[in-house]
Amino acid sequence: AQSVAQPEDQVNVAEGNPLTVKCTYSVSGNPYLFWYVQYPNRGLQFLLKYITGDNLVKGSYGFEAEFNKSQTSFHLKKPSALVSDSALYFCAVRDRIGGSARQLTFGSGTQLTVLP
Amino acid sequence: DGGITQSPKYLFRKEGQNVTLSCEQNLNHDAMYWYRQDPGQGLRLIYYSQIVNDFQKGDIAEGYSVSREKKESFPLTVTSAQKNPTAFYLCASSSEAGNQPQHFGDGTRLSIL
Repeated sequence: AQSVAQPEDQVNVAEGNPLTVKCTYSVSGNPYLFWYVQYPNRGLQFLLKYITGDNLVKGSYGFEAEFNKSQTSFHLKKPSALVSDSALYFCAVRDRIGGSARQLTFGSGTQLTVLP
Repeated sequence: DGGITQSPKYLFRKEGQNVTLSCEQNLNHDAMYWYRQDPGQGLRLIYYSQIVNDFQKGDIAEGYSVSREKKESFPLTVTSAQKNPTAFYLCASSSEAGNQPQHFGDGTRLSIL
């Protein structure tokens, strides 16, 4: 079975400070990992993904994520937060074992609030 | 621009009524998905389809039905058997490759009258 945990329901950070949104996962094999962002009453927007290779993945809007296999984590980061980054963030995982029949599993989401 | 269109944006259901949510994509994606989003629970998979005329149940399929007669379209029917239908429903699509991200529509919010 595959699962994702986002241990923080809410993260507050001051504008201009670095931000981190945490994600840990559990899969049988090697994972595909994704981060999405959701603004109120909108669908999810893709930010970045880890497939293989470099553990530091860069994505849209200045976000990056670090894949750590030993800690089974994929934390989302940004060096300097903007008020406009305030949104709901979702981590998602797919186990490579099982082929196309294996679907994405989403975390419960973390509400990020950037304070001016 | 390519994308996914969900309609209507807001929908109200009466007791005993079936309602259908529309999802259309022009991304030429093979796979399409329906998710239900409740506050604090993330996204839960209702149904998915990897090819025309074929679909599979997800984790919470009871009380829902789908069809996939065209590649571009994947409508979801919320039946009267779904006793707690109030939620935000999201449709997504992706290429078949497992390492590609899903693209999402802007959702339909369903409420009970």
